[in-house]
Amino acid sequence: QSALTQPRSVSGSPGQSVTISCTGTSSDVGGYNYVSWYQQHPGKAPKLMIYDVSKRPSGVPDRFSASRSGNTASLTISGLQAEDEADYYCCSYAGSYIRVFGGGTKLTVL
Amino acid sequence: QVQLVQSGAEVKKPGASVNVSCKASGYTFTSYYVHWVRQAPGQGLEWMGVINPSGGSTTYAQRFQGRVTMTRDTSTSTVYMELGSLRSEDTALYYCARVAIGTYYFDYWGQGTLVTVSS
Repeated sequence: QSALTQPRSVSGSPGQSVTISCTGTSSDVGGYNYVSWYQQHPGKAPKLMIYDVSKRPSGVPDRFSASRSGNTASLTISGLQAEDEADYYCCSYAGSYIRVFGGGTKLTVL
Repeated sequence: QVQLVQSGAEVKKPGASVNVSCKASGYTFTSYYVHWVRQAPGQGLEWMGVINPSGGSTTYAQRFQGRVTMTRDTSTSTVYMELGSLRSEDTALYYCARVAIGTYYFDYWGQGTLVTVSS
């Protein structure tokens, strides 16, 4: 099972929007409606931001949205804030209880 | 409140085994799968495997098969992850995380356990 492909880094100024992509295959991202996104600040455990491709858990700001087209999922953060600076990981179900993560994207708020 | 509390840091020599525990509280232990995810220093997240606390069935990532064993103790609501034949590349922070049965995302994570493999 190969890791999902994410850009190593993205950046944006406060108030702007950024989009992080996550490319897999028809055996994971494109095959199931079970893509989730996690935010990780340095020294902290990951935090769930999006589940089931585009659903937002309670407590996550609506500035965070996500979608999927084919084998590529995307996370968009609008109205960037300083506290959004973190690493972001996508994760997909790949059948038979298996999960696969993306390599992670470092978001820098300029 | 939901908590997943992991055991403390470990230092092991190459070739040894390590056993990391994850004690669950604040929810029905058998209603959630427990997954293990590791993160090498400065690297990304890597899925290792999952255990169903209800029946004890497991699924491991292919690259860890033969080296990893996940078990659970329902009397103490604790899940264990043993990784054997340790090498320096296994130095990482090991997390447990839960997934509700019927869902496909990690909603709570343990605090992580640092395992250092060094001669």
